[in-house]
Amino acid sequence: EVQLVESGGGLEQPGGSLRLSCAASGFTFSSYEMIWVRQAPGKGLEWVSYISSVGNTVSYADSVKGRFTISRVNTKNSLYLQMTSLRGEDTAVYYCARVSDSNYFFDYWGQGTLVSVSS
Amino acid sequence: QSVLTQPPSVSGAPGQTVTISCTGSSSNIGAAYDVHWYQQVPGTAPKLLIYANSDRPSGVPDRFSGSRSGTSASLAITGLQTEDEAQYYCQSYDSGLSGAVFGGGTKLTVL
Repeated sequence: EVQLVESGGGLEQPGGSLRLSCAASGFTFSSYEMIWVRQAPGKGLEWVSYISSVGNTVSYADSVKGRFTISRVNTKNSLYLQMTSLRGEDTAVYYCARVSDSNYFFDYWGQGTLVSVSS
Repeated sequence: QSVLTQPPSVSGAPGQTVTISCTGSSSNIGAAYDVHWYQQVPGTAPKLLIYANSDRPSGVPDRFSGSRSGTSASLAITGLQTEDEAQYYCQSYDSGLSGAVFGGGTKLTVL
């Protein structure tokens, strides 16, 4: 059974940093591209970042470019999102999701972790 | 403002059919990138409902169907059931943004 479990969310002050983790199991993690998607309270889904299966290709939404860094450690079946210079508008539930191997859609999602940015 | 445009809400009575539209542009749906749909029940993670415009993952009832034409796509739900009440999101890829794009979401209410 495919499982994705996020962790690392919490309350942080504006300008602060947080590192989110996503633990994957039930599939060959190193064979799949992964993404982070966020959802602000009461709002829709927003794609945040993408990483290729081996980690050599990454991309970011303009809203987080230069502040967030996506990475992965395939030997640990883990995906990460390092978030710096946090702003109030980064407050959201952050989901990690697996990119399907046949098309750019997301076939499995984690349960999400809440990041709140406030003083 | 989402890159893909969806109606904020739709409604229907049990047993009826509803359709949710998703309108994009020449850099996403119009560029022949596939459209995918997700269902999100409040308080839970999104769930893949339709992929590659019209394909259903195993376990998704055939009451759910999708289509794409030009710069738009649509999701149809037939034989509405109360458990279909949820938020529905379309998603595609945008070549200008070099990333995934979502619609703003449509809340389905089953009256």
